[in-house]
Amino acid sequence: QVQLQESGPGLVKPSQTLSLICTVSGGSINSGAYYWTWIRQPAGKGLQWIGRISVTGSTNYNPSLRSQVAMSVDTSNNQFSLTLTSVTAADTAVYYCAGESIYHWFDPWGQGTLVTVAS
Amino acid sequence: EIVLTQSPGTLSLSPGERASLSCRASQRASSNYLTWYQQKPGQAPRLLIYGASSRATGIPDRFSGSGSGTDFTLTITRLEPEDFAVYYCQHFGDSLISFGQGTRLEFK
Repeated sequence: QVQLQESGPGLVKPSQTLSLICTVSGGSINSGAYYWTWIRQPAGKGLQWIGRISVTGSTNYNPSLRSQVAMSVDTSNNQFSLTLTSVTAADTAVYYCAGESIYHWFDPWGQGTLVTVAS
Repeated sequence: EIVLTQSPGTLSLSPGERASLSCRASQRASSNYLTWYQQKPGQAPRLLIYGASSRATGIPDRFSGSGSGTDFTLTITRLEPEDFAVYYCQHFGDSLISFGQGTRLEFK
C-alpha cells in the first residue's frame, strides 16, 4: 500500500523559504490514482489545505497562500515537493503530505513534520 | 468557496453513549465530496467517511455519516474509549478544499 513520508528542515528563519519533500513508497507517483497534496496544521488548531499537484504538473493552490506557494513533482525519485516563500511565524505548523483521491478525500497521509519559523 | 461550520466545538460524553456531530455548509455542498476524518493527538488525520455516508476501509460500523445539501452529520453509536478525538469535515468544490474547524469529543 502507498505510504508517504515528509522531509525537510524543522527550523526556517523569517522571510526565508520553506522547502519540504514528500517521498512516496509502495506505489508509483505516476499511477494516476492520486493527486498529491499538502495540508498544514498550526499547533492546537485546525487543518488548512495548501494545494495539490497532479502527475502532469497541474496545480491548484489555496487562494490565501497562492502568492507564496509552489509545488512540483519529481517522478524519477517518486517525490513531490512544497515551497513556501517569505515565511513568517504564522507559517509555523505541522505540514502533512497526502494522497488525494479522484473524489477528493485524503488517504493516505504522511506522519507530518513540524516546521518552526523563528530567528 | 464553501465555508464549513462544525458544531458543537466540544462534545462531552461517556463511553457507551451516542454522539452526533454536525457539519453545516455555507451553501449547497455535493454529498459526493463531503468527507469526515478523525484525528488523535500527535497523529495524522484518519479517513472515516467519504461521499457523506460511505465508511472507509476498516472503519467500524458504529460510525455513520448522513446528510445532504447544507447539513451533514457524523454519528457514533455506543462510544468506545478510542473514539475520543477531534473530528473534521471536509469538502471539495471549484477545485478547492475546505475543512471545518473541528469538533473535540471528550470524556465527560
